[in-house]
Amino acid sequence: DGGITQSPKYLFRKEGQNVTLSCEQNLNHDAMYWYRQDPGQGLRLIYYSQIVNDFQKGDIAEGYSVSREKKESFPLTVTSAQKNPTAFYLCASSMLAFDRGLSEHFFGPGTRLTVL
Amino acid sequence: QQPVQSPQAVILREGEDAVINCSSSKALYSVHWYRQKHGEAPVFLMILLKGGEQKGHEKISASFNEKKQQSSLYLTASQLSYSGTYFCGTETLGTGANSKLTFGKGITLSVRP
Repeated sequence: DGGITQSPKYLFRKEGQNVTLSCEQNLNHDAMYWYRQDPGQGLRLIYYSQIVNDFQKGDIAEGYSVSREKKESFPLTVTSAQKNPTAFYLCASSMLAFDRGLSEHFFGPGTRLTVL
Repeated sequence: QQPVQSPQAVILREGEDAVINCSSSKALYSVHWYRQKHGEAPVFLMILLKGGEQKGHEKISASFNEKKQQSSLYLTASQLSYSGTYFCGTETLGTGANSKLTFGKGITLSVRP
Protein backbone atom coordinates (compact mmCIF):
# COMPACT_ATOMS: atom_id res chain seq x y z
CA ASP A 1 0.00 0.00 0.00
CA GLY A 2 1.28 3.43 -0.92
CA GLY A 3 1.02 6.15 1.61
CA ILE A 4 2.63 8.62 3.94
CA THR A 5 3.50 7.78 7.53
CA GLN A 6 4.40 9.90 10.51
CA SER A 7 5.78 8.80 13.82
CA PRO A 8 5.20 8.95 16.64
CA LYS A 9 1.49 9.80 16.90
CA TYR A 10 1.92 11.49 20.29
CA LEU A 11 5.14 13.00 21.59
CA PHE A 12 5.90 14.61 24.92
CA ARG A 13 9.06 16.58 25.54
CA LYS A 14 10.45 18.83 28.20
CA GLU A 15 10.94 22.49 27.46
CA GLY A 16 14.37 23.22 26.01
CA GLN A 17 14.84 19.86 24.30
CA ASN A 18 15.09 19.40 20.56
CA VAL A 19 12.78 16.79 19.07
CA THR A 20 12.64 15.21 15.61
CA LEU A 21 9.40 14.19 13.91
CA SER A 22 9.56 11.51 11.26
CA CYS A 23 7.82 11.59 7.86
CA GLU A 24 8.16 8.86 5.24
CA GLN A 25 6.33 8.37 1.93
CA ASN A 26 6.37 5.58 -0.65
CA LEU A 27 4.27 7.38 -3.24
CA ASN A 28 7.32 8.39 -5.27
CA HIS A 29 6.35 12.03 -4.81
CA ASP A 30 8.96 14.68 -5.43
CA ALA A 31 7.52 17.32 -3.12
CA MET A 32 7.12 17.07 0.65
CA TYR A 33 5.76 19.59 3.13
CA TRP A 34 5.49 20.22 6.87
CA TYR A 35 2.49 22.06 8.29
CA ARG A 36 1.64 23.13 11.79
CA GLN A 37 -1.96 23.16 12.93
CA ASP A 38 -3.24 25.12 15.92
CA PRO A 39 -6.91 25.49 16.88
CA GLY A 40 -8.58 28.12 14.70
CA GLN A 41 -5.41 28.82 12.69
CA GLY A 42 -5.70 26.44 9.79
CA LEU A 43 -2.60 24.82 8.31
CA ARG A 44 0.54 26.92 8.31
CA LEU A 45 3.53 25.92 6.20
CA ILE A 46 6.81 25.38 8.04
CA TYR A 47 9.16 24.01 5.37
CA TYR A 48 8.85 22.34 2.00
CA SER A 49 11.10 20.48 -0.41
CA GLN A 50 10.70 19.77 -4.09
CA ILE A 51 13.93 17.86 -4.63
CA VAL A 52 16.45 15.90 -2.62
CA ASN A 53 19.02 18.03 -0.78
CA ASP A 54 17.00 21.20 -1.29
CA PHE A 55 14.25 22.84 0.76
CA GLN A 56 12.60 26.22 1.27
CA LYS A 57 11.28 28.04 4.29
CA GLY A 58 7.56 28.36 4.63
CA ASP A 59 5.63 30.99 6.51
CA ILE A 60 6.64 29.98 10.04
CA ALA A 61 10.11 28.41 9.73
CA GLU A 62 11.70 30.04 12.77
CA GLY A 63 12.68 27.49 15.41
CA TYR A 64 12.45 24.54 13.02
CA SER A 65 14.90 22.69 10.79
CA VAL A 66 14.57 19.99 8.14
CA SER A 67 16.66 17.74 5.93
CA ARG A 68 15.91 15.92 2.69
CA GLU A 69 18.63 13.35 2.16
CA LYS A 70 16.31 10.84 0.54
CA LYS A 71 13.28 11.31 -1.68
CA GLU A 72 11.16 9.22 0.69
CA SER A 73 12.02 11.00 3.92
CA PHE A 74 11.59 14.55 5.24
CA PRO A 75 12.20 14.74 9.01
CA LEU A 76 11.38 17.88 10.97
CA THR A 77 13.34 18.99 14.03
CA VAL A 78 11.61 21.26 16.50
CA THR A 79 14.40 23.12 18.25
CA SER A 80 14.52 24.77 21.63
CA ALA A 81 14.35 28.12 19.78
CA GLN A 82 10.71 27.50 18.87
CA LYS A 83 8.79 29.62 21.39
CA ASN A 84 5.53 27.69 21.42
CA PRO A 85 6.09 24.22 19.98
CA THR A 86 2.98 22.47 21.32
CA ALA A 87 0.83 21.76 18.24
CA PHE A 88 -0.39 19.17 15.77
CA TYR A 89 2.17 18.63 12.99
CA LEU A 90 1.17 17.34 9.59
CA CYS A 91 3.44 16.11 6.84
CA ALA A 92 2.25 15.97 3.23
CA SER A 93 3.56 15.02 -0.19
CA SER A 94 2.53 15.70 -3.76
CA MET A 95 3.61 15.17 -7.33
CA LEU A 96 4.96 18.13 -9.25
CA ALA A 97 3.46 19.25 -12.55
CA PHE A 98 4.88 22.66 -13.27
CA ASP A 99 2.63 23.28 -16.24
CA ARG A 100 -0.57 22.40 -14.39
CA GLY A 101 -0.08 23.73 -10.90
CA LEU A 102 0.38 21.80 -7.70
CA SER A 103 -1.22 18.39 -7.58
CA GLU A 104 -3.24 17.17 -4.63
CA HIS A 105 -1.54 16.89 -1.26
CA PHE A 106 -1.55 13.53 0.51
CA PHE A 107 -1.33 14.03 4.26
CA GLY A 108 0.11 11.80 6.91
CA PRO A 109 -1.84 11.04 10.13
CA GLY A 110 0.00 13.73 12.07
CA THR A 111 2.07 13.95 15.24
CA ARG A 112 0.70 15.72 18.29
CA LEU A 113 3.60 17.31 20.13
CA THR A 114 3.21 18.49 23.69
CA VAL A 115 6.01 20.35 25.39
CA LEU A 116 5.79 20.28 29.17
CA GLN B 1 -1.34 36.02 3.44
CA GLN B 2 -3.98 33.45 4.26
CA PRO B 3 -7.11 33.24 2.10
CA VAL B 4 -10.30 34.18 3.91
CA GLN B 5 -12.95 31.51 4.32
CA SER B 6 -16.62 32.17 5.03
CA PRO B 7 -18.86 31.60 6.83
CA GLN B 8 -16.95 30.56 9.95
CA ALA B 9 -19.31 27.71 10.78
CA VAL B 10 -22.24 25.93 9.17
CA ILE B 11 -24.88 23.75 10.78
CA LEU B 12 -27.12 21.70 8.51
CA ARG B 13 -29.82 19.09 8.67
CA GLU B 14 -29.20 15.97 6.65
CA GLY B 15 -30.28 16.53 3.06
CA GLU B 16 -29.80 20.31 3.09
CA ASP B 17 -27.40 22.21 0.84
CA ALA B 18 -24.49 24.46 1.78
CA VAL B 19 -22.04 26.80 0.10
CA ILE B 20 -18.69 27.70 1.60
CA ASN B 21 -16.36 30.31 0.20
CA CYS B 22 -12.67 31.08 -0.13
CA SER B 23 -11.34 34.48 -1.11
CA SER B 24 -7.80 35.67 -1.82
CA SER B 25 -6.25 39.10 -2.27
CA LYS B 26 -3.68 37.65 -4.69
CA ALA B 27 -3.97 36.41 -8.27
CA LEU B 28 -4.45 32.67 -8.09
CA TYR B 29 -3.32 29.78 -10.24
CA SER B 30 -5.27 27.11 -8.43
CA VAL B 31 -7.50 26.48 -5.46
CA HIS B 32 -7.53 23.23 -3.50
CA TRP B 33 -10.24 22.03 -1.14
CA TYR B 34 -9.70 19.55 1.71
CA ARG B 35 -11.88 18.14 4.47
CA GLN B 36 -10.57 17.17 7.90
CA LYS B 37 -12.34 15.06 10.50
CA HIS B 38 -11.45 15.71 14.13
CA GLY B 39 -8.02 14.29 15.00
CA GLU B 40 -7.44 12.99 11.47
CA ALA B 41 -5.46 14.11 8.44
CA PRO B 42 -7.03 16.40 5.83
CA VAL B 43 -8.39 14.57 2.79
CA PHE B 44 -8.36 15.97 -0.73
CA LEU B 45 -11.69 16.95 -2.28
CA MET B 46 -11.13 19.20 -5.29
CA ILE B 47 -8.67 21.22 -7.34
CA LEU B 48 -9.78 24.15 -9.47
CA LEU B 49 -7.29 25.49 -11.96
CA LYS B 50 -7.04 28.86 -13.63
CA GLY B 51 -8.75 28.45 -16.94
CA GLY B 52 -11.59 26.38 -15.59
CA GLU B 53 -10.32 22.82 -15.33
CA GLN B 54 -11.78 21.08 -12.31
CA LYS B 55 -10.67 17.80 -10.79
CA GLY B 56 -12.02 16.09 -7.74
CA HIS B 57 -14.87 14.59 -5.83
CA GLU B 58 -17.94 13.16 -7.55
CA LYS B 59 -20.58 14.39 -5.09
CA ILE B 60 -19.20 17.83 -4.37
CA SER B 61 -18.86 20.63 -6.88
CA ALA B 62 -16.99 23.91 -6.87
CA SER B 63 -16.43 27.06 -8.83
CA PHE B 64 -13.50 29.41 -9.33
CA ASN B 65 -14.08 33.05 -10.19
CA GLU B 66 -10.75 34.21 -11.60
CA LYS B 67 -11.77 37.85 -11.77
CA LYS B 68 -12.62 37.97 -8.08
CA GLN B 69 -10.02 35.39 -6.95
CA GLN B 70 -12.76 33.50 -5.18
CA SER B 71 -13.78 29.89 -5.00
CA SER B 72 -16.95 28.32 -3.66
CA LEU B 73 -17.58 24.73 -2.64
CA TYR B 74 -21.11 23.40 -3.10
CA LEU B 75 -22.37 20.59 -0.90
CA THR B 76 -25.72 19.31 -2.04
CA ALA B 77 -28.05 16.89 -0.27
CA SER B 78 -25.64 16.80 2.67
CA GLN B 79 -24.90 13.55 4.46
CA LEU B 80 -23.73 12.97 8.02
CA SER B 81 -20.32 12.05 6.61
CA TYR B 82 -19.90 15.60 5.28
CA SER B 83 -19.28 16.88 8.81
CA GLY B 84 -15.78 18.19 9.39
CA THR B 85 -13.58 21.20 8.84
CA TYR B 86 -13.16 22.40 5.27
CA PHE B 87 -9.94 24.11 4.23
CA CYS B 88 -9.13 25.88 1.02
CA GLY B 89 -5.52 26.11 -0.09
CA THR B 90 -4.49 28.66 -2.68
CA GLU B 91 -1.59 28.60 -5.11
CA THR B 92 -0.65 32.06 -6.29
CA LEU B 93 0.54 33.08 -9.74
CA GLY B 94 4.16 33.87 -10.31
CA THR B 95 5.71 31.63 -7.71
CA GLY B 96 7.18 29.40 -10.39
CA ALA B 97 9.21 26.41 -9.31
CA ASN B 98 8.69 27.14 -5.62
CA SER B 99 4.93 26.94 -5.68
CA LYS B 100 3.23 26.24 -2.40
CA LEU B 101 -0.26 26.20 -0.95
CA THR B 102 -1.44 28.76 1.57
CA PHE B 103 -4.38 27.46 3.59
CA GLY B 104 -7.28 29.34 5.11
CA LYS B 105 -8.34 28.94 8.72
CA GLY B 106 -11.07 26.49 7.85
CA ILE B 107 -14.84 26.27 8.16
CA THR B 108 -16.51 23.86 10.57
CA LEU B 109 -19.51 22.16 9.02
CA SER B 110 -21.85 20.01 11.11
CA VAL B 111 -24.58 17.87 9.60
CA ARG B 112 -27.28 16.73 12.01
CA PRO B 113 -29.84 13.93 11.53
